Amino acid sequence: EVQLVESGGGLVQPGGSLRLSCAASGFIFSDSWMSWVRQAPGKGLEWVANINQDGSWNFYVDSVKGRFTISRDNAKKSLYLQMNSLRAEDTAVYYCARLVNVPAVTEYFQYWGQGTLVTVSS
Amino acid sequence: SYVLTQPPSVSVAPGQTARITCGGNNIGSKSVHWYQQRPGQAPVLVVYDDSDRPSGIPERFSGSNSGNTATLTISWVEAGDEADYYCQVWDTSSDVVFGGGTKLTVL
Repeated sequence: EVQLVESGGGLVQPGGSLRLSCAASGFIFSDSWMSWVRQAPGKGLEWVANINQDGSWNFYVDSVKGRFTISRDNAKKSLYLQMNSLRAEDTAVYYCARLVNVPAVTEYFQYWGQGTLVTVSS
Repeated sequence: SYVLTQPPSVSVAPGQTARITCGGNNIGSKSVHWYQQRPGQAPVLVVYDDSDRPSGIPERFSGSNSGNTATLTISWVEAGDEADYYCQVWDTSSDVVFGGGTKLTVL
């Protein structure tokens, strides 16, 4: 059974930092592109970042470039999102997802975790 | 940037057919994927590559894509199908793009 379990969310002040983690099981993590997708309260889905199998390529939505860093540890089957300089508009549930990537053709999210809530507020 | 447009809401009676549209410029040239998100739950992939279904997704869920509109069709709608539905594509300039979502209400 595929499982993606996020952790690390919580309340943080504007300008602060937080590190999210995602523990994966039930599929070959080291062969998989992985992603973070977020959802602000009452809003739609927004892609945040992707990372390739060995961590050598990563991609970000413009609004988080320079502030967020996606990384992975294949030995631990874990995905991470380091979030710095957090803003109120970063408040959202953050989902970890396995990305199916067909280069230059398409990408979609095959499996999703249950999400972890990040609240940025003073 | 590439934009996907979905109707905010669709309502249908049990046993009827629901059609949820996703509009985009020449979307027929792209692969469209659909997600179901029940209240308080994570999204679930229900259709990928326009019309393929992941294992475990009922045949009642189907998809089509042509011209400027992609459509998710849910046949024989059940109460458990009540959820938000999101379309998604990959675009060379915008990377991953989601539609704004459609709330399906089962009357």
